[in-house]
Amino acid sequence: AQSVTQLDSHVSVSEGTPVLLRCNYSSSYSPSLFWYVQHPNKGLQLLLKYTSAATLVKGINGFEAEFKKSETSFHLTKPSAHMSDAAEYFCVVPGGDSSYKLIFGSGTRLLVRP
Amino acid sequence: DVKVTQSSRYLVKRTGEKVFLECVQDMDHENMFWYRQDPGLGLRLIYFSYDVKMKEKGDIPEGYSVSREKKERFSLILESASTNQTSMYLCASRLPGGTTEAFFGQGTRLTVV
Repeated sequence: AQSVTQLDSHVSVSEGTPVLLRCNYSSSYSPSLFWYVQHPNKGLQLLLKYTSAATLVKGINGFEAEFKKSETSFHLTKPSAHMSDAAEYFCVVPGGDSSYKLIFGSGTRLLVRP
Repeated sequence: DVKVTQSSRYLVKRTGEKVFLECVQDMDHENMFWYRQDPGLGLRLIYFSYDVKMKEKGDIPEGYSVSREKKERFSLILESASTNQTSMYLCASRLPGGTTEAFFGQGTRLTVV
């Protein structure tokens, strides 16, 4: 069965410093993977998705993620944090017992300090 | 621009009321979903629908029902609202297939008093 684990519930960085949000997945095959962002009291917005075409995926707002099969990881990075990046981030994999469903990580709240 | 629209951003209802949350998508997606989101519990799937008039229970269907009479519209119904249904409700839609992303509405924050 597919699953994702977000290793940090909270991450705090200073504005202008790099961001690393960690996600590990468990799957019996090479899955698709997504990162979503949710700003306070808003819906979820897709940041980027991996669908096996290229292991380094670039997304919106300067974010990118690298799929590493050997480490079963799909960590989200950004070279320089901006105050507007403060939000909750979810790593997501399709699966369960049906590809209709999406399996969500528990989320990582990113705090950006001035 | 693709859109999933939820009918209300904020709702306040009384215990025992029947509550309807509406969701409309303009992308011709077969699959639609209702989630609730609570602090510390993440997103939990209530119901999903893979076609008109077709539905399946998610992880927490108790106290909820759904209706999908048209492809673009998916309604969540709280038959008799209770205070433990106070939550953020999120609607989503996606195409079939394992590589397709979901598109989310802006959410409805429901308070049951």
